[in-house]
Amino acid sequence: AQTVTQSQPEMSVQEAETVTLSCTYDTSESDYYLFWYKQPPSRQMILVIRQEAYKQQNATENRFSVNFQKAAKSFSLKISDSQLGDAAMYFCAMPRKNKLVFGAGTILRVKS
Amino acid sequence: DVKVTQSSRYLVKRTGEKVFLECVQDMDHENMFWYRQDPGLGLRLIYFSYDVKMKEKGDIPEGYSVSREKKERFSLILESASTNQTSMYLCASRDRDRDDGYTFGSGTRLTVV
Repeated sequence: AQTVTQSQPEMSVQEAETVTLSCTYDTSESDYYLFWYKQPPSRQMILVIRQEAYKQQNATENRFSVNFQKAAKSFSLKISDSQLGDAAMYFCAMPRKNKLVFGAGTILRVKS
Repeated sequence: DVKVTQSSRYLVKRTGEKVFLECVQDMDHENMFWYRQDPGLGLRLIYFSYDVKMKEKGDIPEGYSVSREKKERFSLILESASTNQTSMYLCASRDRDRDDGYTFGSGTRLTVV
């Protein structure tokens, strides 16, 4: 079975600082996608970043980057220069048989 | 701008009522999904549909049914609402050929009293 685990229910970061959200997963597939989604108070799920497992290079989108460790099945999200607008729920997710499986989520609070 | 629209943002229903949650997408996607979101549990798949009139159970289908009579519309039905179905419900759609192309609605927060 494919599972996704986020072990940090809540994280806090000072504005302009860096924070890392953790995610581990389990799969028997060799090629797959991994995603980080952001859900702000508006509830709209926004795709933050995606990683294709066959790519060695870690994905980067502006201030967001991932540390993808395929052998360890780890997929953490690093947010640099944190901004107040980054405050949200963050979900790690991966496809499983044409469906998305999500972790439990991490609430990120940004302090000014 | 592509969209998945859920008909209600907030809904309050009484125990035993039949409840319909509606979802419409304008992207001509084959696949549509209903998820339930609860604190500490993330999003769990209730049902999904891979084509008109086609459906498949997800991880927590008990107490729910679905209907997909048209490609753009996917309805979630609570036959007899119960208090343990109080939750946030999210609809999503996806092009069947793209594992990374999910689009989500803004959710319906359902309270059953």
